[in-house]
Amino acid sequence: QVQLQESGPGLVKPSETLSLTCTVSGGSISSYYWSWIRQPPGKGLEWIGYISYSGSTNYNPSLKSRVTISGDTSKNQVSLELRSVTAADTAVYYCARNRRLRLGEFLYNWFDPWGQGTLVTVSS
Amino acid sequence: DIQMTQSPSSLSASVGDRVTITCRASQNISSCLNWYQQKPGKAPKVLIYATSSLQSGVPLRFSGSGSGTDFTLTISSLQPEDFATYYCQQCYTTPKTFGQGTKVEIK
Repeated sequence: QVQLQESGPGLVKPSETLSLTCTVSGGSISSYYWSWIRQPPGKGLEWIGYISYSGSTNYNPSLKSRVTISGDTSKNQVSLELRSVTAADTAVYYCARNRRLRLGEFLYNWFDPWGQGTLVTVSS
Repeated sequence: DIQMTQSPSSLSASVGDRVTITCRASQNISSCLNWYQQKPGKAPKVLIYATSSLQSGVPLRFSGSGSGTDFTLTISSLQPEDFATYYCQQCYTTPKTFGQGTKVEIK
């Protein structure tokens, strides 16, 4: 059973870089796609981007200029970097596995499981 | 980006009620639509993927339907553990986008 655990600083200063790690157990990061998703306090969910099993990435255009997602197969970890943060980046950050299922010509995909999430506050 | 709009934003219901939540996409997403349940302080959990496929372990009182731009999540008989916020999410294209959520509260 795959389990995910996010870790990283809970407080980041404005203009600095937010760095989080997602440690995967019960499965290899080389076998799936992995996404980061965030949720500002009291608000909805925003997909940040994903990394594939081959290391290719796809980012939300709204964050693309500031985001890097990478993987470390030796540690079975997926990482998120978000640069030049502001208060608007305060959120709970989740990592999640992308499940994929091809039915006919269509590739369905969904997020399962999710990590427990980690709150990152941007403040001086 | 594809915009996902849920209605209602919140609802009050009693145990045993039939509850329906709708989700509308701003363009055709075929049947690439997922539903998640989130309880306070917890991560979302997938209930239904590909419009109507029930995730393993999810009770049969949950069902999904729709295609194109209009989708529905139905809880046939609301149970105490179902009080939560529900989100739809389109998987048709990137960026993946979510609805704003529907909070189901106790009446």
